[in-house]
Amino acid sequence: GNSVTQMEGPVTLSEEAFLTINCTYTATGYPSLFWYVQYPGEGLQLLLKATKADDKGSNKGFEATYRKETTSFHLEKGSVQVSDSAVYFCALETGGSYIPTFGRGTSLIVHP
Amino acid sequence: NAGVTQTPKFQVLKTGQSMTLQCAQDMNHNSMYWYRQDPGMGLRLIYYSASEGTTDKGEVPNGYNVSRLNKREFSLRLESAAPSQTSVYFCASSEFFRESPETQYFGPGTRLLVL
Repeated sequence: GNSVTQMEGPVTLSEEAFLTINCTYTATGYPSLFWYVQYPGEGLQLLLKATKADDKGSNKGFEATYRKETTSFHLEKGSVQVSDSAVYFCALETGGSYIPTFGRGTSLIVHP
Repeated sequence: NAGVTQTPKFQVLKTGQSMTLQCAQDMNHNSMYWYRQDPGMGLRLIYYSASEGTTDKGEVPNGYNVSRLNKREFSLRLESAAPSQTSVYFCASSEFFRESPETQYFGPGTRLLVL
């Protein structure tokens, strides 16, 4: 079956620090990969996606590269802001189900 | 546009009590979903409604019932709550079923504690 493993949080950083949130996956078939973000008091929102190997998804300064050889889709940002404090979910979907498989979520706390 | 709204935001129940979680969307979407999120686990699908008038089981349906009241509203009912149902519940909607999950819009969640 499909599964997504994310690093445990919370991740606590100072403003302008470099961020990495690790995500690895197992999947039957060839998945599409996603990162969602949930800001306090709000629902999940799609942050970025990648649909094939070596694709790089990017949005709002965040990036993630689809690495088939290491089955990974790590989220990175060069300089985090306090407003990036949120919970980040890695997810995958394999063709035919259209129901995503989510990771546990990783909380990010950014201090001024 | 409010998007997807859920009520209540937080609820405490005693074992054996019943309650209904409400979800509504104002985007004229056809499909709606209920997920639960437990500590250390990702979101898991409880039930979904591909279109008005239809409902189907997801990955973890036991202990729950759903009603697609109309196109806007999709409720989740716990008939006899158990501590194992302590979780955060997310409702989501999408214009059509069987389209990419990137098009699912999520509500803010309901935190449920069963004592």
